[in-house]
Amino acid sequence: DVKVTQSSRYLVKRTGEKVFLECVQDMDHENMFWYRQDPGLGLRLIYFSYDVKMKEKGDIPEGYSVSREKKERFSLILESASTNQTSMYLCASSLGRTGELFFGEGSRLTVL
Amino acid sequence: DAKTTQPTSMDCAEGRAANLPCNHSTISGNEYVYWYRQIHSQGPQYIIHGLKNNETNEMASLIITEDRKSSTLILPHATLRDTAVYYCIVRVAGVRRSSNTGKLIFGQGTTLQVKP
Repeated sequence: DVKVTQSSRYLVKRTGEKVFLECVQDMDHENMFWYRQDPGLGLRLIYFSYDVKMKEKGDIPEGYSVSREKKERFSLILESASTNQTSMYLCASSLGRTGELFFGEGSRLTVL
Repeated sequence: DAKTTQPTSMDCAEGRAANLPCNHSTISGNEYVYWYRQIHSQGPQYIIHGLKNNETNEMASLIITEDRKSSTLILPHATLRDTAVYYCIVRVAGVRRSSNTGKLIFGQGTTLQVKP
């Protein structure tokens, strides 16, 4: 089975702090994604990567950056956390173009 | 991507089949039907997808009508652990190396409550 592992289930940070969310997948998938999920807004794509060192902006990239130095690892960075970034963050991976995404368990971030 | 319509909630008795309907009357010829579910406080889980033929895997069966305007996800023997929100999504297969492989529009879904 595909396993997508997110480093932290729950985090509490203060406004202005730098936040790193790590994601690792073990199935050699080429595509990796970061989403945030908020009540009433559904799942929104933040960033996407289809190869090492490659990244593309999703629908809501402002305030975020990403890093993919190795194929299995995709990191989401909040350079200066703000309260409106309080959310559930979900990492996913997929192979090829058929669209079945495999998600991690999520990281619930609270910014105070 | 085509819009989908699902009932807001459904109940099912444990051990019985759960049949979750989805309407997608504006689906186009190159759009697939995907089903995901999300158990409370966890990430979404892929269940199954299909284009026009019925599909079955170890988790579920997907029945797509001949005109492709609707489909039904069948959990053959529902258990309490199947209690979740089930999402029906219709979209084209992604283009390789393009972010549209990840653009899943999750609607409100159907909350399935499996009862003992």
